[in-house]
Amino acid sequence: DAGVIQSPRHEVTEMGQEVTLRCKPISGHDYLFWYRQTMMRGLELLIYFNNNVPIDDSGMPEDRFSAKMPNASFSTLKIQPSEPRDSAVYFCASSLRNYNEQFFGPGTRLTVL
Amino acid sequence: AQSVTQPDIHITVSEGASLELRCNYSYGATPYLFWYVQSPGQGLQLLLKYFSGDTLVQGIKGFEAEFKRSQSSFNLRKPSVHWSDAAEYFCAVGQDSGTYKYIFGTGTRLKVLA
Repeated sequence: DAGVIQSPRHEVTEMGQEVTLRCKPISGHDYLFWYRQTMMRGLELLIYFNNNVPIDDSGMPEDRFSAKMPNASFSTLKIQPSEPRDSAVYFCASSLRNYNEQFFGPGTRLTVL
Repeated sequence: AQSVTQPDIHITVSEGASLELRCNYSYGATPYLFWYVQSPGQGLQLLLKYFSGDTLVQGIKGFEAEFKRSQSSFNLRKPSVHWSDAAEYFCAVGQDSGTYKYIFGTGTRLKVLA
């Protein structure tokens, strides 16, 4: 298996633009997690899905952020409009069952100018 | 509220020396505990995990960790550090309350001197 795949690996955009981050979990995994990593706040869970259904989105910072999982092999995290404070590394992770190992993707480094 | 504390932001050790990274958690019940490692520009990789049973847990790359309930700690150890161990290490605790979220510590950055 190729592991968790994220695209793009790097994204540079201007304030106010829409940003879409993509994630393909490991085949057969039924949990998918989106995290944000910054120097100031560390690693934060934004939202997670179980069987394509959002279970907990309490970590989503504000309405500008939205996440979808239309099928078991694809998820998106969208920021609209983007702001400089959204600059961070965004990780997607998947796991086979609750409390099993979470497998992390390589991350998307987002820079909002 | 549940929390994880990694008191050491940076640690520097010489290659071949022993290593201990500290992790303390705050949680009412028996937690699910994890150590992850993150190399520069990479995602996180699981080193080891503790759910129950033997309090000394063996992981990959020669790492081990010991769960001490009385001290609310889950410290990571390695008897002899290699230069390739230079990375950032994260302790995490999982909740057993119906939501399957991890709370991550702020990380400890390890530097290894040749």
